[in-house]
Amino acid sequence: AQSVTQLDSHVSVSEGTPVLLRCNYSSSYSPSLFWYVQHPNKGLQLLLKYTSAATLVKGINGFEAEFKKSETSFHLTKPSAHMSDAAEYFCVVAPGGSYIPTFGRGTSLIVHP
Amino acid sequence: EAGVVQSPRYKIIEKKQPVAFWCNPISGHNTLYWYRQNLGQGPELLIRYENEEAVDDSQLPKDRFSAERLKGVDSTLKIQPAELGDSAVYLCASSLILGSTEAFFGQGTRLTVV
Repeated sequence: AQSVTQLDSHVSVSEGTPVLLRCNYSSSYSPSLFWYVQHPNKGLQLLLKYTSAATLVKGINGFEAEFKKSETSFHLTKPSAHMSDAAEYFCVVAPGGSYIPTFGRGTSLIVHP
Repeated sequence: EAGVVQSPRYKIIEKKQPVAFWCNPISGHNTLYWYRQNLGQGPELLIRYENEEAVDDSQLPKDRFSAERLKGVDSTLKIQPAELGDSAVYLCASSLILGSTEAFFGQGTRLTVV
């Protein structure tokens, strides 16, 4: 069985400050992990993915995430938030060898001027 | 290259009425998914197709939901009859093959049942 827990339903930051969105997972097999972003009235867009290569993964728009097997975590970070980053973010886990994704509940990122 | 196309974007129907959603995946993508996203939650898988075969439909409420993927390309998801609790966004996604590390999502169909 696999599951994803996004530890915060909402994260609020000021523009220019760092962003941390937390994600913990459980998976019976070596997982692939993803972060997707969903802007209002738009489709889900892949930010980055981990598929058993480098544990520090760089994605689009300055985001990155680090896979920590010992902590079963895959937290998403960005050094400096931009107003355009305000959106819903989803952490996704898929067991190794197949892409049958399970989504977390989502974290709403709010960016203040 | 066109992405995953879904229609309609919005649909409002009365309860007990039927409704259908259509999805055109990215050309050449063999795997197609239908997800349901309730308000404030993450998407949940309803059904997954490999070409025209439904290989994972354990989460599909089969008493009222049905899906098909004729010729392994376009897909239709149907609800008959709709209930108030079916109000949600229905998302379609596709990937090149099972085991591909990325699925591409359409913009979804927002269903409101009144």
